[in-house]
Amino acid sequence: EIVLTQSPGTLSLSPGERATLSCRASQSVSSSYLAWYQQKPGQAPRLLIYGASSRATGIPDRFSGSGSGTDFTLTISRLEPEDFAVYYCQQYGSSPPTFGPGTKVDIK
Amino acid sequence: EVQLVESGGGLVQPGGSLRLSCAASGFTFSSYWMSWVRQAPGKGLEWVANIKQDGSEKYYVDSVKGRFTISRDNAKNSLYLQMNSLRAEDTAVYYCARENYGDYVGSPIDYWGQGTLVTVSS
Repeated sequence: EIVLTQSPGTLSLSPGERATLSCRASQSVSSSYLAWYQQKPGQAPRLLIYGASSRATGIPDRFSGSGSGTDFTLTISRLEPEDFAVYYCQQYGSSPPTFGPGTKVDIK
Repeated sequence: EVQLVESGGGLVQPGGSLRLSCAASGFTFSSYWMSWVRQAPGKGLEWVANIKQDGSEKYYVDSVKGRFTISRDNAKNSLYLQMNSLRAEDTAVYYCARENYGDYVGSPIDYWGQGTLVTVSS
C-alpha cells in the first residue's frame, strides 16, 4: 500500500497570500494518478485536481497542481476567504487507493 | 444535477450488521465505477470499496475484507454496502461516491454524497 504524507499539518496564512501544500508518497505514483480534495467542516470533500495537474470542472485557476513520482504540490496562488479548509491528497494508481492525512489551511 | 443520497446509518452494537444505501440521480449511473469512502470522527478519509459499472469487479480495503460487501442495482440507480461483524473502529461517516476522470487503472472521485453516520457501540 502506498502511504501518503502531507506537510505541513497546519498552514496559517492571510487572505491574499500564496499557499503551498506538499504530498509525498512512500513509492512512485504511477502515471501521476494523484488527486487533491478540499473539505470544509460538515461538508463532503470536493475534487480540485486530478492527474496531478488537471483542474476538475468548475475549479478556479488559482488552484494548481504539480509534481510526479513521489513528490506533489498543490498551490493556491491567492487565498480567498472560502479557501480556508482541509486539503487531502489521494493516489489512485495503486490498489488500494489511499489518502494523505490532510493539511489544514487556517486564517492567520 | 448529480445527486448521491445515502441512507441506512445509525447506532449498532459490536458484531452487528447494517446495510447502507445510496440513491443516485442526475447521471447515467450504469456508466460509472462507484465507491464507498469513510471518515472517522475528526479523522481523515479512508477508501473502503469500489465496484465496476456492471458489478463484475469489486475491491475492498484489507480491514473490511470478508465483512463488508459492495453491490449495485443499475435498474434502481442504487449502490449498497452490507456491513457485517461491525467493530468500534468502523465508526465513521460513510460517503457514497462517483469515480470519474480515470481509466482502467483507477479514478479519482468527482462527486460525493453528504454521508451517513455509522456508530458501533454497546
